[in-house]
Amino acid sequence: AQKVTQAQTEISVVEKEDVTLDCVYETRDTTYYLFWYKQPPSGELVFLIRRNSFDEQNEISGRYSWNFQKSTSSFNFTITASQVVDSAVYFCALSTFNFGNEKLTFGTGTRLTIIP
Amino acid sequence: NAGVTQTPKFRVLKTGQSMTLLCAQDMNHEYMYWYRQDPGMGLRLIHYSVGEGTTAKGEVPDGYNVSRLKKQNFLLGLESAAPSQTSVYFCASRGQGGYRSNQPQHFGDGTRLSIL
Repeated sequence: AQKVTQAQTEISVVEKEDVTLDCVYETRDTTYYLFWYKQPPSGELVFLIRRNSFDEQNEISGRYSWNFQKSTSSFNFTITASQVVDSAVYFCALSTFNFGNEKLTFGTGTRLTIIP
Repeated sequence: NAGVTQTPKFRVLKTGQSMTLLCAQDMNHEYMYWYRQDPGMGLRLIHYSVGEGTTAKGEVPDGYNVSRLKKQNFLLGLESAAPSQTSVYFCASRGQGGYRSNQPQHFGDGTRLSIL
């Protein structure tokens, strides 16, 4: 069984503040992928990042950064200098494979509101 | 560059009616998926397909059927709609590759379905 926990249901911060979204996962597989998706108010799901279990290097993309720590089974997402356009629901997801078939498990999401 | 296209975008049904949701992708992807999104529950996998002519059950398959007669299309059917099937439905596709592939799932914009 696999599970993704996003304990923060809703977060509100004032524009330009930094904010970190937490993601904790559970899996027995040693090979897996972790994802973050963004769902803006318009409703579509936008892929942000994918990380495999063999690569614990942190990644930075503009104002976005991701901290992957296998020791704590966490894959946290930080937005630096937040902007109103960052307001969305963010989903963390865990992907494992069984005989080539992927199982993608989503967390319940964190609703982020950036206050202007 | 259409990606994943879902039709219709909105639909209201009466209990007991049937309907089919269509998902079309133009990326020549092998894998296709149907999810439902409910408040506080993230996305849950209904059915998926690993190639033309194949389908498999996901986490919440009851009350739904699917078909993948053509590689680019994945249909989700509700034979006798129930109020519990009121949800937002997302289709996704992914290129072929095992656990070391670099292919995230690409999502459509969703179909909002209400069953009265």
